[in-house]
Amino acid sequence: DTEVTQTPKHLVMGMTNKKSLKCEQHMGHRAMYWYKQKAKKPPELMFVYSYEKLSINESVPSRFSPECPNSSLLNLHLHALQPEDSALYLCASSQVGTTSTDTQYFGPGTRLTVL
Amino acid sequence: AQSVSQHNHHVILSEAASLELGCNYSYGGTVNLFWYVQYPGQHLQLLLKYFSGDPLVKGIKGFEAEFIKSKFSFNLRKPSVQWSDTAEYFCAVHSGTYKYIFGTGTRLKVLA
Repeated sequence: DTEVTQTPKHLVMGMTNKKSLKCEQHMGHRAMYWYKQKAKKPPELMFVYSYEKLSINESVPSRFSPECPNSSLLNLHLHALQPEDSALYLCASSQVGTTSTDTQYFGPGTRLTVL
Repeated sequence: AQSVSQHNHHVILSEAASLELGCNYSYGGTVNLFWYVQYPGQHLQLLLKYFSGDPLVKGIKGFEAEFIKSKFSFNLRKPSVQWSDTAEYFCAVHSGTYKYIFGTGTRLKVLA
């Protein structure tokens, strides 16, 4: 089973709202990722968690706050977003992360619209 | 800095035509290479990957890719495309530090 699930599928929020995106995998992977994908563009890495610790933050604004409560779950907390943050947010997981033979498996994404 | 180039941004083919999508990367060390496909409205799915060994890699749905180290290339091929291959194709490079470097993608449209 190579499934990564994400909820919700779609989210519309105002600039003053607080919301969270959720990601779950049960493949025993210890690395989990958040990507942002704008239309007709490749995914851009935002955060990497390895063994539940934040390993990479690609200079993402603090209005995005990741959390990894356990090895299967990854959240992205959103607060005071801007309309330009509207995008598809993808979660991925991989076995370890640091080995170059690691393969990332992607979830279906959450399509976020900020009004 | 590492980078991945996909020179064909848009490709339009008729069904049964042959497909070749280019991917070139810049990185001097050992890399591992991937092709992902994103069907309309769907998530990224792994098509194939190359780590080592035979430079001709076969993936799902009849796709294959050839790693040519001297040309820093990893081109994707399919002998005969179908309408259902309409999708966006991303090449990615992984050098072992968590990060995938994705190419800008190639949007393929197959006409029935």
